[in-house]
Amino acid sequence: QSVLTQPPSASGTPGQRVTISCSGSSSSIGSNTVNWYQQLPGTAPKLLIYDDNQRPSGVPDRFSGSKSGTSASLAISGLQSEDEADYYCAAWDDSLNGPVFGGGTKLTVL
Amino acid sequence: EVQLLESGGGLVQPGGSLRLSCTASGFTFSSYALTWVRQAPGMGLEWVSAITGFGGSTYYADSVKGRFSISRDNSKNSLYLQMNSLRTEDTAVYYCARYPGYSYGQARVDYWGQGALVTVSS
Repeated sequence: QSVLTQPPSASGTPGQRVTISCSGSSSSIGSNTVNWYQQLPGTAPKLLIYDDNQRPSGVPDRFSGSKSGTSASLAISGLQSEDEADYYCAAWDDSLNGPVFGGGTKLTVL
Repeated sequence: EVQLLESGGGLVQPGGSLRLSCTASGFTFSSYALTWVRQAPGMGLEWVSAITGFGGSTYYADSVKGRFSISRDNSKNSLYLQMNSLRTEDTAVYYCARYPGYSYGQARVDYWGQGALVTVSS
């Protein structure tokens, strides 16, 4: 049971916009910034979004993050086949005094 | 270019020990906190342990506290994870990863290694 809650799966067709949610608590998302990681099949995770809505250099602006209260979302616009991957949210948890991850969302491009 | 390369994974029996290493290049090693994150087969990510830039402070998940020990040798640009009293539930790919600064206390990791598979089985 992950501390942060994500839907196990999401899907969309090429060109569509999809969103992935991440629900936490007052001690995690409610008090700290949210990061998103993309894990392509058979590879290591990669930082996709940090500090709720910032993109590292090289990440396309099709990817965006937002946060409200104790929930966060990752949006992917102009969906492409290469976006098919697992996506994880992560945040620091003040109660656990450590970083926590969501269970991951498997994105399928139909 | 920042690179992290894990080694030392393998098959070990329950109750056994294993030491993972992570060799880094492309950045000033001692200036960054480092962490180990694991992923059981078909499962999500789980934070395991972290160490600050000069190794003065270490942190562990409750699931490994007392069994695992993290350390670093800044002269060799290397991070280590000594794993003792291994259990079948420790079976996972272990990733070495870098925080964007000297200290711990966040969930943002900016670079990851390719991972090392540890299998605990009789």
